[in-house]
Amino acid sequence: DSGVTQTPKHLITATGQRVTLRCSPRSGDLSVYWYQQSLDQGLQFLIQYYNGEERAKGNILERFSAQQFPDLHSELNLSSLELGDSALYFCASSKGRRTLYQETQYFGPGTRLLVL
Amino acid sequence: GENVEQHPSTLSVQEGDSAVIKCTYSDSASNYFPWYKQELGKRPQLIIDIRSNVGEKKDQRIAVTLNKTAKHFSLHITETQPEDSAVYFCAASTPGTYKYIFGTGTRLKVLA
Repeated sequence: DSGVTQTPKHLITATGQRVTLRCSPRSGDLSVYWYQQSLDQGLQFLIQYYNGEERAKGNILERFSAQQFPDLHSELNLSSLELGDSALYFCASSKGRRTLYQETQYFGPGTRLLVL
Repeated sequence: GENVEQHPSTLSVQEGDSAVIKCTYSDSASNYFPWYKQELGKRPQLIIDIRSNVGEKKDQRIAVTLNKTAKHFSLHITETQPEDSAVYFCAASTPGTYKYIFGTGTRLKVLA
């Protein structure tokens, strides 16, 4: 158990709908990262937040948005869902300190999204 | 843009043999290289990492080597066991970017 929690574990929805995925980082971690992993694919970095502020952005679609709240949990919002959005969505966390070397990221268990 | 290439995409070895997975990164400023193991349907878990100020790091049966000149790094697993079967991802990180760029993964099968 990494200490990172994600809810829900599974989500089934229809095309055109909107869903919200939730992540709580490890105790003491200020930074949250979101990744998308499609079937048999690698991990695509979506976005990173540090202490409530967006810090880095990857290939995140305009239909997707995220935020980090004062209690440091984060939500990833996916709207106008398409079949191709079906994937595992992982959240990871780290302390987020500005150090010479990137810190280890600890991954949550993921949310499996199925768009029908 | 930043890119990490990983080879091979699949690897089958006999139990007890060694396995080697190689990654090449594009950004010469990258200085941190973690390796993650992901079992089917599970979260990626860090198994070993290396910083650019060292050339090799070892942890029991697992080792990572880094060649900064050639911009590649490799994962070595010795005395493989069936429980080593999983997908392994390499990643590279550049200071100031606050993100990892992951390789495409290697599916390792250890045959008993």
